[in-house]
Amino acid sequence: QLQLQESGPGLVKPSETLSLTCTVSGGSIISSIYYWGWIRQPPGKGLEWIGTIHYSGVTFYNPSLKSRGTISVDTSKNQFSLKLTSVTAADTAVYYCARFRGYTYGYGDFWGQGTLVTVSS
Amino acid sequence: QSVLTQPPSVSGAPGQRVTISCTGSSSNIGASYDVHWYQHLPGAAPKLLIYGDSNRPSGVPDRFSGSKSGTSASLAITGLQAEDEADYYCQSYDNSLSGFVFGTGTKVTVL
Repeated sequence: QLQLQESGPGLVKPSETLSLTCTVSGGSIISSIYYWGWIRQPPGKGLEWIGTIHYSGVTFYNPSLKSRGTISVDTSKNQFSLKLTSVTAADTAVYYCARFRGYTYGYGDFWGQGTLVTVSS
Repeated sequence: QSVLTQPPSVSGAPGQRVTISCTGSSSNIGASYDVHWYQHLPGAAPKLLIYGDSNRPSGVPDRFSGSKSGTSASLAITGLQAEDEADYYCQSYDNSLSGFVFGTGTKVTVL
């Protein structure tokens, strides 16, 4: 059974960079049909797509991030990562990683449990 | 910044049928992109309920069904059970954003 696990600091200071890693186990990140994504949920709000990466390195980002986000993949470690620069309190959220089957018609079939990241000094 | 609109809440008694709407536009649902639905319990990972408008993954009860027409989609839950109390989100692709979009979310309460 595929499993995804988010890891990274739970507290980040304003203006600094948020860094999270998603480790995939029970399956390979190398697949032509799957994409790997980050989604977040601010407290009391809904889900927001952050971005998606294919193992080949092709990436897609939510324009609302205004180029602050970077997603990368390390196939040797079966991991993909998120970096979000210049964070503010508005970036406080539970961050989820997920596997998406396909892209334009894609859906998230496996998700991590999520990790809370708080932006505060 | 959700571009898919859902009612904030719906409720029903055990055994009843409830529906959740997901209204989009010509750049997402109306452009014939698939709609998918997730169930989200507090503190848990979102769970895929419906994919490709109306398909259920293995293990999802047939009490859950999805449909789509025009620029909207719907999730129906029949035979409502206490365990169905959760938040539900629709998701699609938007070609003006070139990315995934989620609905605003609907809280289902079992009376």
